[in-house]
Amino acid sequence: GAGVSQSPSNKVTEKGKDVELRCDPISGHTALYWYRQSLGQGLEFLIYFQGNSAPDKSGLPSDRFSAERTGGSVSTLTIQRTQQEDSAVYLCASSMYSQGSGETQYFGPGTRLLVL
Amino acid sequence: DAKTTQPNSMESNEEEPVHLPCNHSTISGTDYIHWYRQLPSQGPEYVIHGLTSNVNNRMASLAIAEDRKSSTLILHRATLRDAAVYYCILRDVETSGSRLTFGEGTQLTVNP
Repeated sequence: GAGVSQSPSNKVTEKGKDVELRCDPISGHTALYWYRQSLGQGLEFLIYFQGNSAPDKSGLPSDRFSAERTGGSVSTLTIQRTQQEDSAVYLCASSMYSQGSGETQYFGPGTRLLVL
Repeated sequence: DAKTTQPNSMESNEEEPVHLPCNHSTISGTDYIHWYRQLPSQGPEYVIHGLTSNVNNRMASLAIAEDRKSSTLILHRATLRDAAVYYCILRDVETSGSRLTFGEGTQLTVNP
């Protein structure tokens, strides 16, 4: 079956512009995560959606970052007024939610964002 | 989240076993030990996880010390495709939710 897909695969933008990154999770997965990976910072958590619960936004670095998940499926991460330090690979992951040992997260290939 | 410590890099030869160590001396009783790896230009992928007992799957084995303060990911026969960054992650979903907290991981190089 299809895995997690993300679009675009690459995005180059000018400082100050807004960008939207899209994530299509695995069908049936109720949990969706956004992470980003930048040089010198490693992989860091941004935001987490689980079903109809309020999202965990505790990893968003500033109020320029927002995300939504429509219909419990597709998610969009929006970065307003982009800055050069926003340049990174943005990774989406999805999972079947389960308590206990921690469910397996399936990652997409990422969107490489370059802010000039 | 409890912290893990891994060597920055390791090397192996193709078709030889690889033992990737992870120290987690502050692990709590409810922390599960998870391993993910990230191949070049790809997102991370799950490898294996365990709590107390050793675990085996088609990709690897996980050996967990009796005191749980360390663990070892074992690749039984390394291939060139196993060259990746390997992350050892502790997860306590009761206290930290479902997010993964990545450290710097171990860069594994496999020589032909």
